[in-house]
Amino acid sequence: DAGVTQSPTHLIKTRGQHVTLRCSPISGHKSVSWYQQVLGQGPQFIFQYYEKEERGRGNFPDRFSARQFPNYSSELNVNALLLGDSALYLCASSPQAGNTEAFFGQGTRLTVV
Amino acid sequence: GENVEQHPSTLSVQEGDSAVIKCTYSDSASNYFPWYKQELGKGPQLIIDIRSNVGEKKDQRIAVTLNKTAKHFSLHITETQPEDSAVYFCAALSSDQAGTALIFGKGTTLSVSS
Repeated sequence: DAGVTQSPTHLIKTRGQHVTLRCSPISGHKSVSWYQQVLGQGPQFIFQYYEKEERGRGNFPDRFSARQFPNYSSELNVNALLLGDSALYLCASSPQAGNTEAFFGQGTRLTVV
Repeated sequence: GENVEQHPSTLSVQEGDSAVIKCTYSDSASNYFPWYKQELGKGPQLIIDIRSNVGEKKDQRIAVTLNKTAKHFSLHITETQPEDSAVYFCAALSSDQAGTALIFGKGTTLSVSS
């Protein structure tokens, strides 16, 4: 079975631009969460979606938004990019809303210049 | 909210030795504690987890212990091998008004030399 897949793997954007990151969860998993990982730190929670509804939101500005589609795939959108948004963006899928047994994708490395 | 502290930040051992990584958490309501291994250029890989109704869990060379009273949990790796070299993260599942999220420690870089 395929694991969590994310696209693209790498991305370079200019300050002020917009970016969309995509995630496909493990087959049968209905929960998708997004995390930001800055170099040298642990992942930091951004959003959780379960059954297409937002179930949780971390301490990130409104420039960050997300959605989940009927097939449970998800998109993370970031507007008005800042240099500080440069990070590894990770998607995790879980079989349940409670976010246990979360499996991560390989991430999207975003560089803002 | 939940806060997770992880120690040490770096750990160097000889092949065959044991390695122990310790984490503390602040929210006594947390009831799920996973450990992840992250290799360079990859996403975190779930290696073992423990729920609050269990004190210890073992999977081959890896074990996790949980002390709910003291609010700390530890990862034990026995008979370490060079392929165990990676960054290890502990996490606690936090549920509050912001939702349900994994709160991670800052990571431990484990180096196993042969």
